[in-house]
Amino acid sequence: AQRVTQPEKLLSVFKGAPVELKCNYSYSGSPELFWYVQYSRQRLQLLLRHISRESIKGFTADLNKGETSFHLKKPFAQEEDSAMYYCALSGTDSWGKLQFGAGTQVVVTP
Amino acid sequence: GAVVSQHPSRVICKSGTSVKIECRSLDFQATTMFWYRQFPKQSLMLMATSNEGSKATYEQGVEKDKFLINHASLTLSTLTVTSAHPEDSSFYICSAGPGTPTYEQYFGPGTRLTVT
Repeated sequence: AQRVTQPEKLLSVFKGAPVELKCNYSYSGSPELFWYVQYSRQRLQLLLRHISRESIKGFTADLNKGETSFHLKKPFAQEEDSAMYYCALSGTDSWGKLQFGAGTQVVVTP
Repeated sequence: GAVVSQHPSRVICKSGTSVKIECRSLDFQATTMFWYRQFPKQSLMLMATSNEGSKATYEQGVEKDKFLINHASLTLSTLTVTSAHPEDSSFYICSAGPGTPTYEQYFGPGTRLTVT
């Protein structure tokens, strides 16, 4: 069975400090991993997908198959990064349907 | 970027009535759309996969007779909550993406359903 685990419900960091959101997954095949972000009163939007290996808004995420992790990192948090972050997994045979983690609320204080 | 819209944004209905929620892809065609449900302070849970021109595929535990899905065109999927009860009150979100499989998905703004 596939599962996505985000152990932290809430992360509170100071502006300029590094932030790391943890995501672990279980899946028997080779999954696609994503990070989605939801800013206050806005719809869910894609932040990163592991296959593209991009850095978006200063965030990066590396897929570690050995540790089955896809942690999201940013070296210097900004106040505008305050949002809800969801890690999501799509299986190779699931035609795009996503399984979401529980989400991590990030609060960046000045 | 691609845009997905939902209508209505919020709806209040009486117990026992049915309510229809529309999901539209505005600038792309989507052979597959997805419907999610989100309870307060919880994550999104996939309810069903809506397939254009064929029957929807429901996740385990989701009643297909209660949550009717129709994907009549490449830009429109509808979710009808039949004989609604207060426990159906929730935030319903759809997503869609160009291409098949739809690995890059765009989400609608959601519909807040309240059943009184």
